[in-house]
Amino acid sequence: AQSVTQLGSHVSVSEGALVLLRCNYSSSVPPYLFWYVQYPNQGLQLLLKYTSAATLVKGINGFEAEFKKSETSFHLTKPSAHMSDAAEYFCAVSDMDTGRRALTFGSGTRLQVQP
Amino acid sequence: ETGVTQTPRHLVMGMTNKKSLKCEQHLGHNAMYWYKQSAKKPLELMFVYNFKEQTENNSVPSRFSPECPNSSHLFLHLHTLQPEDSALYLCASSQETGLNSYEQYFGPGTRLTVT
Repeated sequence: AQSVTQLGSHVSVSEGALVLLRCNYSSSVPPYLFWYVQYPNQGLQLLLKYTSAATLVKGINGFEAEFKKSETSFHLTKPSAHMSDAAEYFCAVSDMDTGRRALTFGSGTRLQVQP
Repeated sequence: ETGVTQTPRHLVMGMTNKKSLKCEQHLGHNAMYWYKQSAKKPLELMFVYNFKEQTENNSVPSRFSPECPNSSHLFLHLHTLQPEDSALYLCASSQETGLNSYEQYFGPGTRLTVT
């Protein structure tokens, strides 16, 4: 069965600094991977996805993530943080082995952006 | 984002009440999901419906009763809930075909408080 681990439940960066949110996955077959963002009192919004094409995936709001099979990682980055990036971020994996439709989510990382 | 709508957005109910949460997706998808999001816990998948058939029930107590009358609508009927059921309930949808990437689109959620 697949699983997702997000290292760091809280990350704080200064405005303009690099954002790095870590995600490691466990899957018996090459997975599909996703990053979602959740703003307060809202649902989850898809940021980007990896579906076995290019390993460097670009998403919305200037975010990107790189799939590294050797490290079983899919870390999310943004070169320069903006105050509006403050939110909770979730990494998720789909189970391509069983074809199970539902995603497995990590426990989330709350990003704070300091002025 | 109005692809998936949920009503009501907020609900306060007593433990003896009966209420229903409604979800509607306007994306032409054929799979729908209920998730529970509690403070400091990962998203918990509750139910999955594919082409109106329930394909997954993750040991959810019977006080939660889902209904999927068609591929655009999903309900969650609630009765005799407990205070620990207070949470944000999220609905999601996806398109299940052989070529899709299993990404899910989320509604804004219903914030439920059980008193």
